[in-house]
Amino acid sequence: QKEVEQDPGPLSVPEGAIVSLNCTYSNSAFQYFMWYRQYSRKGPELLMYTYSSGNKEDGRFTAQVDKSSKYISLFIRDSQPSDSATYLCASFTGGGNKLTFGTGTQLKVEL
Amino acid sequence: DVKVTQSSRYLVKRTGEKVFLECVQDMDHENMFWYRQDPGLGLRLIYFSYDVKMKEKGDIPEGYSVSREKKERFSLILESASTNQTSMYLCASSFSRTGSYGYTFGSGTRLTVV
Repeated sequence: QKEVEQDPGPLSVPEGAIVSLNCTYSNSAFQYFMWYRQYSRKGPELLMYTYSSGNKEDGRFTAQVDKSSKYISLFIRDSQPSDSATYLCASFTGGGNKLTFGTGTQLKVEL
Repeated sequence: DVKVTQSSRYLVKRTGEKVFLECVQDMDHENMFWYRQDPGLGLRLIYFSYDVKMKEKGDIPEGYSVSREKKERFSLILESASTNQTSMYLCASSFSRTGSYGYTFGSGTRLTVV
């Protein structure tokens, strides 16, 4: 079983929709959670970063962590075609030395 | 703008060749990483380094080695390339050893071994 699981998609939504991207993880020691966005033929870029449980909002993006259920979510409001990309969740422990990534969910926002 | 630069975007090499993938960062980060990315498998850590001349194995180090002679440069070496090493290779660096400020990735090198 992978430590971080993610539905690969593809997920196709109309412009303006609210998008929900999700990951589950198995390592109870994970404390830091991140979302990366990867455009085609590019490297991943850090989008959101949260510590422990709770919500974090940045513009149209909200990251949510529920440690009790080991569930990580990213919500995108008013989705735009420019949001079309692969979204990767990632986690690591406080004393850990490397990120563990999900396999990524491909999102397409259509006009 | 801070950067992680990978020397080649696309490479085609023959089976058995020794292959060097170069990565340079201009952020004075101590920590650097090499990943490979494959469909359905995600990013897998090959090697990482916390300091000059230091290296540690990641999850899939077999068939690879690394070199870090200078702080800003981290090289991945395929000693004898094989077709199963055809992949997208991503270099990353970070300020924090724990990655608490995230990783900065390069644009990747797509390697094809024929």
